[in-house]
Amino acid sequence: KAGVTQTPRYLIKTRGQQVTLSCSPISGHRSVSWYQQTPGQGLQFLFEYFSETQRNKGNFPGRFSGRQFSNSRSEMNVSTLELGDSALYLCASRPGLAAGELFFGEGSRLTVL
Amino acid sequence: GDSVTQMEGPVTLSEEAFLTINCTYTATGYPSLFWYVQYPGESLQLLLKATKADDKGSNKGFEATYRKETTSFHLEKGSVQVSDSAVYFCALSAAGGTSYGKLTFGQGTILTVHP
Repeated sequence: KAGVTQTPRYLIKTRGQQVTLSCSPISGHRSVSWYQQTPGQGLQFLFEYFSETQRNKGNFPGRFSGRQFSNSRSEMNVSTLELGDSALYLCASRPGLAAGELFFGEGSRLTVL
Repeated sequence: GDSVTQMEGPVTLSEEAFLTINCTYTATGYPSLFWYVQYPGESLQLLLKATKADDKGSNKGFEATYRKETTSFHLEKGSVQVSDSAVYFCALSAAGGTSYGKLTFGQGTILTVHP
C-alpha cells in the first residue's frame, strides 16, 4: 500500500508570493491533516479535512488555507508569503474521524527568501 | 489550551543503556496520548499510544504508561540500540468528538545512541 505522498518535496519562493502544496493520502483514508514544523515552534496543527469539509483549524492566520477533493486528495495554500513561513509542511492521513493512528508523509520543505 | 512538555534534549546514551524521556501534559478530560518517532531521513511514525488512564502502550521494546494523577506519559526502554537514534515526540489529542486528527506535540527530543 502506498504511503502518504506530498508534492513538491522542496521549493523556494520569495516574500509576497503564494504557494500550493499537495497531499495524496493512503488509499481508503478520508481524513487529511496538515502540520507546520519549524525549529522554533515545533510541530503545529494547521487544519484537518474530512469529506471535503474542514473539521478542525489551528491558530494560523487566514493566509493559510486548504481544501480537499472528492478523491480525498488535499491541497494547502499560503498566500502573501513571509520569511517566517519557511518550514517543513507535513500532511497526515487516517481512515476516518474516529481515534486512530495518523500516517505522515515526508513533507514539503518550503524556503521563503 | 492543551499543551505537551518534553524533557529538553538532546540525549546521548551508550548502547544497552536505560532510556527515559519525560513527557507531561495539560489538557481537560482524558486525552489520548502518543509517542511518535522520526528516524533520520524518514517521516514521523507512531511508536505507541494509550487512550485511557493507567493504559500502557508498548512497541519495539519501548513502553509508556498513561498517568492521570501526574499528567505524564514518560517513554522508557530498558536497553537502547544504535538503531533507536531518532527524534521522539510526545503528543496528545483532545478527548472525544472530532479532535483526533488534531495532535498537540511536544518539542521533540533528539536521541543519539553510540556503540
